[in-house]
Amino acid sequence: GAVVSQHPSRVICKSGTSVKIECRSLDFQATTMFWYRQFPKQSLMLMATSNEGSKATYEQGVEKDKFLINHASLTLSTLTVTSAHPEDSSFYICSAQGQGEVYGYTFGSGTRLTVV
Amino acid sequence: ELKVEQNPLFLSMQEGKNYTIYCNYSTTSDRLYWYRQDPGKSLESLFVLLSNGAVKQEGRLMASLDTKARLSTLHITAAVHDLSATYFCAVDMRGFGNEKLTFGTGTRLTIIP
Repeated sequence: GAVVSQHPSRVICKSGTSVKIECRSLDFQATTMFWYRQFPKQSLMLMATSNEGSKATYEQGVEKDKFLINHASLTLSTLTVTSAHPEDSSFYICSAQGQGEVYGYTFGSGTRLTVV
Repeated sequence: ELKVEQNPLFLSMQEGKNYTIYCNYSTTSDRLYWYRQDPGKSLESLFVLLSNGAVKQEGRLMASLDTKARLSTLHITAAVHDLSATYFCAVDMRGFGNEKLTFGTGTRLTIIP
């Protein structure tokens, strides 16, 4: 089945630094990738949608200059949290959507970001 | 704006009992997903419901979709402790010009021995 690899699984960074999270589709081409944020005991909130080779579409209220998304190839999307602050601490999950037989949404394993 | 509501938000039930989780959504869609999430983990896909009247079953879980009522249910039969988790429904607006999932509020299920 379709597999999405997300790294790192956990990261602790100092306030003011940047963190990059990678999301790779291992056995299919992901035409669209989605980035979600989940705070403790809450649901998943979509941050942005990215299509290969084009700019990401951000949801209302998400700062595009703070959460940089790059979808440079059909198998890789990255989310960079710039100038991280403690309030950015959260669980970040990517999801990839393929074409053809890979029709649904495949989720990565998530990244627990802690900003200290 | 699409709203997806689940109830109950919290459910504590004894092993061996049956119960149903409800997922209501506010806009037309014919595609709905159910996911399970264990603490600290990502989502595990349970069911994909792709048409009105769709019913899927796996083990003690059964999901159904009524697109006219904009309602999906996740029924648990003879619950066991291993089913303790948070369950999310998610509505897919693909085909209606909006290719993304909108998640429900989640139902935290605790099975008591």
